[in-house]
Amino acid sequence: AQSVSQHNHHVILSEAASLELGCNYSYGGTVNLFWYVQYPGQHLQLLLKYFSGDPLVKGIKGFEAEFIKSKFSFNLRKPSVQWSDTAEYFCAVNARSGGYQKVTFGIGTKLQVIP
Amino acid sequence: GAVVSQHPSWVICKSGTSVKIECRSLDFQATTMFWYRQFPKQSLMLMATSNEGSKATYEQGVEKDKFLINHASLTLSTLTVTSAHPEDSSFYICSAPLLGVDEQFFGPGTRLTVL
Repeated sequence: AQSVSQHNHHVILSEAASLELGCNYSYGGTVNLFWYVQYPGQHLQLLLKYFSGDPLVKGIKGFEAEFIKSKFSFNLRKPSVQWSDTAEYFCAVNARSGGYQKVTFGIGTKLQVIP
Repeated sequence: GAVVSQHPSWVICKSGTSVKIECRSLDFQATTMFWYRQFPKQSLMLMATSNEGSKATYEQGVEKDKFLINHASLTLSTLTVTSAHPEDSSFYICSAPLLGVDEQFFGPGTRLTVL
């Protein structure tokens, strides 16, 4: 069974600071990797995804993530955060086996950006 | 883009009653839909996979007789929480994958409060 771990549960940053949220997964087969964001009072939205190809993936709102296969990691980064980035961030793994797929989420990281 | 809706967005019910939550894919067909539960300050936990035309697949520890799932058509799946208890209070989220895209699209969620 696959699992996803997010190392930082609550992060507080000042505006313009750089952000890196860790995500590691465990699964021996083919995976698709995602980062979702949940703004206060809103539903999950896709930030970015990795399926194949360039391991450095760029998403919306200046976010990017790097897939490092040898480390089973998919860390999320942003060079300069804004107050509007305050939200909860979820890393997710879609494990694929034949025609079956199952998405497993990390516990989430709550980001608070202080103006 | 692919849109998934849920109804109702929030519901309050008395202990012992049953509550039905609908999940609809508005502009695409979904042979599979997923139901998640999110407790406060916790991640999304997959409850079951809803399959159009066949029985749902439940995750370990999820009571199939308590959480009835019916995938009535290619655009509608329902989750019925039977004989609800206060511990069933949670945020229920559905998702549907878009064929050929390998991406899940999430509904806005349903907040269930059982008194």
